[in-house]
Amino acid sequence: EAAVTQSPRNKVAVTGGKVTLSCNQTNNHNNMYWYRQDTGHGLRLIHYSYGAGSTEKGDIPDGYKASRPSQENFSLILELATPSQTSVYFCASGQGDERLFFGHGTKLSVL
Amino acid sequence: GDSVTQTEGLVTLTKGLPVMLNCTYQTTYSPFLFWYVQHLNEAPKLLLKSSTDNKRTEHQGFYATLHKSSSSFHLQKSSVQLSDSALYFCALSEGGSALGRLHFGAGTQLIVIP
Repeated sequence: EAAVTQSPRNKVAVTGGKVTLSCNQTNNHNNMYWYRQDTGHGLRLIHYSYGAGSTEKGDIPDGYKASRPSQENFSLILELATPSQTSVYFCASGQGDERLFFGHGTKLSVL
Repeated sequence: GDSVTQTEGLVTLTKGLPVMLNCTYQTTYSPFLFWYVQHLNEAPKLLLKSSTDNKRTEHQGFYATLHKSSSSFHLQKSSVQLSDSALYFCALSEGGSALGRLHFGAGTQLIVIP
């Protein structure tokens, strides 16, 4: 079974601070994704990547940056965190078999 | 653009009853639809997928049929169990490709009571 690991599992940040959410996958998948989950909105795509060195904007990229330094790792960066970015963030990977494998999520609270 | 609509935010049912969770979509491409399930404090996992019109697909007692004529992919189960309590997402693959970006609906929370 594909494995996607996110860290940290929980994070409390201050407004204006920098936050980095990390994701690691051990399945050699080309594609990786960052979603946020909010009640009433489902899962919304923030950024995604087709491979090391590439990042693409998703549906709600404003206020977020992404970095894919290697096949295994995909980070989501909030340079200046705001309370509206309080959410649960999911990383996912996938390739060729038509489904996504999700991590367990990171609960971020921006105070 | 592509979009998915799930009309029920919350469904509460007694164990043993049938359930249908609604999913409709909009796309100009040939649709590729998914159902994902997320149990409490767990990651979403794939439950069902389909791109074939009028063909029923089944997994773990759940089933769904893609109907292109009505742009629907409703999730059904004949007899719900307590363990079915979870958040269910319908998703559409962008551009008609199985490898496309997924557009998720808002989700339906299913609560099964004894």
